[in-house]
Amino acid sequence: EIVLTQSPGTLSLSPGERAALSCRASQSLSSNFLAWYQQKPGQAPRLVIYSASTRAIGIPDRFSGSGSGTDFTLTISRLQPEDFAVYYCQQYDSSLYTFGQGTNLQIK
Amino acid sequence: QMQLQESGPGLVKPSETLSLSCDVSGDSINNLWWSWIRQPAGKGLEWIGRIYGGGITNYNPSLKSRLTMSVDTSKNQFSLRLSSVSAADTAIYYCARGRTFITVDGSPGDFFDYWGQGALVTVSS
Repeated sequence: EIVLTQSPGTLSLSPGERAALSCRASQSLSSNFLAWYQQKPGQAPRLVIYSASTRAIGIPDRFSGSGSGTDFTLTISRLQPEDFAVYYCQQYDSSLYTFGQGTNLQIK
Repeated sequence: QMQLQESGPGLVKPSETLSLSCDVSGDSINNLWWSWIRQPAGKGLEWIGRIYGGGITNYNPSLKSRLTMSVDTSKNQFSLRLSSVSAADTAIYYCARGRTFITVDGSPGDFFDYWGQGALVTVSS
């Protein structure tokens, strides 16, 4: 099983600031098949990024994904009030899909 | 417009079987992979398993012995049955559509581009 470790657990920032969320895999994702999801309270997760760096339909260009192998980053360039949420990474490089434990991006 | 909707009992007794269905609209269930994912209150996400429109399944090994998934193409619906439940199975259960890519090893891998709103299932006597 590929374990995904997200850091930090909680990130406190102000609107307009830049956020960088990390996701580290316990073994290399040979196809860089990593996705990011945004989840707000009481809602289902929403796809943000797939294949490490491709934005999903309808996702603003302030969201970007990068990384390869074992280290991946979700960057939000200028935080908007609606961006504060919990973010999860998910790998689909192996047949047992796994998620990270989440990063809680909260307003400072 | 693509929509998924979970349905089923919200309360299940310990040792009994949890059953949920997911109604799909806006797309045919054929030729795609469909997954179940769960989330205990205040915790992270766990992939349960997936089913292809033709009925092929892949299950999370940790749940495999208790898990059955099925598909009904006539209703454009797929279902989950989890037997011998305990309090540890209490969670919000989501159904989701898989977007399948092929890895460099030739294996399929899914991420999830559409999700249902989720169904809370509580295991309690």
